[in-house]
Amino acid sequence: NAGVTQTPKFQVLKTGQSMTLQCAQDMNHEYMSWYRQDPGMGLRLIHYSVGAGITDQGEVPNGYNVSRSTTEDFPLRLLSAAPSQTSVYFCAGRTSLTADSPLHFGNGTRLTVT
Amino acid sequence: GEDVEQSLFLSVREGDSSVINCTYTDSSSTYLYWYKQEPGAGLQLLTYIFSNMDMKQDQRLTVLLNKKDKHLSLRIADTQTGDSAIYFCAPPGSSNTGKLIFGQGTTLQVKP
Repeated sequence: NAGVTQTPKFQVLKTGQSMTLQCAQDMNHEYMSWYRQDPGMGLRLIHYSVGAGITDQGEVPNGYNVSRSTTEDFPLRLLSAAPSQTSVYFCAGRTSLTADSPLHFGNGTRLTVT
Repeated sequence: GEDVEQSLFLSVREGDSSVINCTYTDSSSTYLYWYKQEPGAGLQLLTYIFSNMDMKQDQRLTVLLNKKDKHLSLRIADTQTGDSAIYFCAPPGSSNTGKLIFGQGTTLQVKP
């Protein structure tokens, strides 16, 4: 039982490049989400999914795409990287959609866009 | 939407008590969470409190909830250097989408 696994841990991109941040979970998380963490800004929700085939936008979705073709995987795609997307990205999942089900976080991907 | 506010920084001496405060806007939350983030790691659930409780104690941790003022606090007794981390409060609100909105986080620095 690995929990929520994010890859890669570190990534450097040039402006305009695209890439996919991977997130996989083996805890039967129905709900999954992506956050970015920036100094002084806390955690901001990018996209989330309430089940396979269903995704929706969070607070800061621009420049990012997601898909949920399986329950286990929730990749985050950067279409054309910009320096403003330099951040630490966290994937998180929860078993149910009720408030008594806390989020479980991955260890993060630190992305630098030059 | 939900708005959550926390002070950004708290510094205490080892052995002292720490109190981290949080205010929120949505009063419909049935649970309110506290998460801890250690350097270089993701967030981990630290503790939670039901909205029908005023206080919850868990070893060195005490959570106080004032629903009228929409104020949540986390008290850490006998603070240790290992408690140095960022602490986030997260009231789920009434949303049935399951998403959590977090505050900015409070960085706790424990000096030996």
